[in-house]
Amino acid sequence: GQQVMQIPQYQHVQEGEDFTTYCNSSTTLSNIQWYKQRPGGHPVFLIQLVKSGEVKKQKRLTFQFGEAKKNSSLHITATQTTDVGTYFCAGPLYNQGGKLIFGQGTELSVKP
Amino acid sequence: ETGVTQTPRHLVMGMTNKKSLKCEQHLGHNAMYWYKQSAKKPLELMFVYSLEERVENNSVPSRFSPECPNSSHLFLHLHTLQPEDSALYLCASTGQRNEKLFFGSGTQLSVL
Repeated sequence: GQQVMQIPQYQHVQEGEDFTTYCNSSTTLSNIQWYKQRPGGHPVFLIQLVKSGEVKKQKRLTFQFGEAKKNSSLHITATQTTDVGTYFCAGPLYNQGGKLIFGQGTELSVKP
Repeated sequence: ETGVTQTPRHLVMGMTNKKSLKCEQHLGHNAMYWYKQSAKKPLELMFVYSLEERVENNSVPSRFSPECPNSSHLFLHLHTLQPEDSALYLCASTGQRNEKLFFGSGTQLSVL
């Protein structure tokens, strides 16, 4: 069945270091969404990418959607302790009314 | 405050109990979802209601029963649960297909 995989599962960084998480789909996606879940919290929408090769920035966060629309990445420059949490990518299930399938997430910890 | 309210926040129940989780959205959305989030696993879609039509994930055991009396309210009725059902249950809503999900704060369920 359709799958969305994320790597790495965990990432521990020193504050100030960069961080990247990668998302790969087994099928072409019409769009991809990214969510952040703080410890003890719920997922919060960050961004949606729709176009092939699209790049979007939110302050220190850079999101990319691959040319083939099967992979995506989230890069954080100069991490801060406020970046701690789990980052999920999600893509719509094919021919199922836009329901989202989530990757397993990348848990980021930042050491001050 | 995301506009999606879930109650209760925490629930402890025995395997013979019957309980219900409640979700209410104040966003005027027409689709509502139940997700299950277990430790070390991706978000699992359980049920979707869109314009009061239910789309069910076939892998969800019958001890979970959803109810959507109107477009603003969603319930998850629980009966004879198992310890492995302990998880965070998240409600979400969206206005249209492929739009971002707004999650509630979740109900942390423990089955003893």
